[in-house]
Amino acid sequence: QVQLVQSGSELKKPGASVTLSCKTSGYTFTNYAMNWVRQAPGQGLEWVGWINPNTGNPTYAQAFTGRFVFSLDTSVSTAYLQISSLKAEDTAVYYCARAQGRVHCGGGSCYSGDYFFDYWGQGTLVTVSS
Amino acid sequence: QSVLTQPPSASGTPGQRVTISCSGSSSNIGSNYVYWYQQLPGTAPKLLIYRNNQWPSGVPDRFSGSKSGTSASLAISGLRSEDEADYYCAAWDDSLSGVVFGGGTKLTVL
Repeated sequence: QVQLVQSGSELKKPGASVTLSCKTSGYTFTNYAMNWVRQAPGQGLEWVGWINPNTGNPTYAQAFTGRFVFSLDTSVSTAYLQISSLKAEDTAVYYCARAQGRVHCGGGSCYSGDYFFDYWGQGTLVTVSS
Repeated sequence: QSVLTQPPSASGTPGQRVTISCSGSSSNIGSNYVYWYQQLPGTAPKLLIYRNNQWPSGVPDRFSGSKSGTSASLAISGLRSEDEADYYCAAWDDSLSGVVFGGGTKLTVL
């Protein structure tokens, strides 16, 4: 069965960096895009972006450019999210989520009529506090 | 502010039918499929409805989705206590080149 297992909770000081992992099993890792979704305490879901599992090419939502970096290790079917220069407002649960559907990019924009998350990791709580 | 607009709360008694609305624009709901996710307290979101009105395996048909123009809705019939959760709508947004979510609706079963 498909499983996405995320790394454990992290407590970091402002300005530090953190790397979260999402280890997958039960499917061919390179066949599905991996996405990251953030949920601040008591708040809703925010899409952070996605990474192409074949090319390793990442795409970040506008609010998450600069300090957020996606990466993959296809040899162990694992995706990573690194966040640098942590701020208190980065305190949140971060989910990895497998996507169904295809994204087509051209002319500076990307389109997908059909793109959704069929499996989610259990989430990793990142707390940023001095 | 979320790109998709949902009411912050909804409620109903066991057995009732409740609906949750989701309003968007031509760049998201108006031109792409809508999805619904259920998040039970303290757990990860779970896919509830895909492609406007399709059920993933294991989701009871008490849950149904619909879309018209730039709006969508989720209906839950035969409300049960275990339906108490947060519900999020989502869609791809062509202008933002990414996934957008609604702000979420907290469903309370009275």
